[in-house]
Amino acid sequence: DIRLTQSPSSLAASVGDRVTVTCRADQSVGAYLNWYQQRPGKAPKLLISLVSNLQSGVPSRFSGSGSETEFTLTISSLQPEDFAIYYCQQSYGTPQTFGQGTKVDIK
Amino acid sequence: QLQLQESGPGLVKPSETLETLSLTCIVSGDSISSSAYYWGWIRQPPGKSLEWIGTVYYSGSTYYNPSLKSRVAISIDASKNQFSLTLSSVTAADTAVYFCARHPSRFYFDYWGQGTLVTVSS
Repeated sequence: DIRLTQSPSSLAASVGDRVTVTCRADQSVGAYLNWYQQRPGKAPKLLISLVSNLQSGVPSRFSGSGSETEFTLTISSLQPEDFAIYYCQQSYGTPQTFGQGTKVDIK
Repeated sequence: QLQLQESGPGLVKPSETLETLSLTCIVSGDSISSSAYYWGWIRQPPGKSLEWIGTVYYSGSTYYNPSLKSRVAISIDASKNQFSLTLSSVTAADTAVYFCARHPSRFYFDYWGQGTLVTVSS
């Protein structure tokens, strides 16, 4: 199985801060890397598909980049509704796997 | 607007159900077969990350997580616009929130159901 490791596991930030979450794969996943946001008690929401494709309706403050084994999710200016858990997911190998999550808390 | 809704028992008592968990995902807002999409199941144990269980194509072709393959069956019923999950020989380790989702080209999950908590306990 392809293991995805996210860093940090949690962070505390203030509204307006720039936040970066990293996802590292233990082998190449090409460009088959997606990002999700999950608020408490809710289903995950797809933010970015295939490294950098922003989903319809997702604010432009979210962006994704990377390739092969290292990927980043950036929130350019953190908003109150962005406090959540973020997961990366790879669809290159079988089984498809998710990272352990990064919790973004209010500082 | 595409919507997915999971349904099934919230509690599975192995001694009463032959240790089998069964869930259905009802799709509304689009035909499950006309769009030629894939449809998947994902689960999340309490406080943990997400695990892909398996995916079904509108034609009935299936793709499973090898770690669960011996216990999982996913099927599709186009006449009812729904797809289903069966997980056999369940234990407490299968306690989780189970989500169904659309899985375009098996690349990502773009539409999700709200999830349903299934507790396995005797």
